[in-house]
Amino acid sequence: LAKTTQPISMDSYEGQEVNITCSHNNIATNDYITWYQQFPSQGPRFIIQGYKTKVTNEVASLFIPADRKSSTLSLPRVSLSDTAVYYCLVGDIGGFQKLVFGTGTRLLVSP
Amino acid sequence: DAGVIQSPRHEVTEMGQEVTLRCKPISGHDYLFWYRQTMMRGLELLIYFNNNVPIDDSGMPEDRFSAKMPNASFSTLKIQPSEPRDSAVYFCATLAMVRGRANTGELFFGEGSRLTVL
Repeated sequence: LAKTTQPISMDSYEGQEVNITCSHNNIATNDYITWYQQFPSQGPRFIIQGYKTKVTNEVASLFIPADRKSSTLSLPRVSLSDTAVYYCLVGDIGGFQKLVFGTGTRLLVSP
Repeated sequence: DAGVIQSPRHEVTEMGQEVTLRCKPISGHDYLFWYRQTMMRGLELLIYFNNNVPIDDSGMPEDRFSAKMPNASFSTLKIQPSEPRDSAVYFCATLAMVRGRANTGELFFGEGSRLTVL
């Protein structure tokens, strides 16, 4: 089971790009990397998932280097509504491993 | 689909009482997870099921906690007897396999059940 390490908190301003990095040195061959967003009083919500290189969707981009020991979630031009906790999750549920969340990164976006 | 439905949304009970939390998963999802979230411990995985069968319950804190999934459309998490330290938000989440691989799926969370044990 890959353990993840993220910064506890980050601050940004509206309109800036935010990059949140997650370390997962013990990632296994079949593990995928998934990022979730959680607002207060809500359950986490899926943002993006990848295995290697770069993945982009309408919300974010995910950069994964060749060794896959880390990943970076990139949020372009953040707004106040992006203030939330962001979790990096690494695992392979198909291999009957647990999907365990780390401590997450609390992002605060200010005007 | 209405998403993952949890009930009750809020529960306040007294120490020693039995608490039952309920979850209706998204139809067709093969996996169901129960998580607990507190400020001190964050999101903790308690137990998960695959096709209604419990796969890993090593996260269940004590024998006071039990979970069942009698069919594909219903799961319960029971605490008996409840204690103040059980106060937390309990989330149910489900996951469907994508392209034949479970690890490419996404977790869908319910809105949670906030439990307060006095």
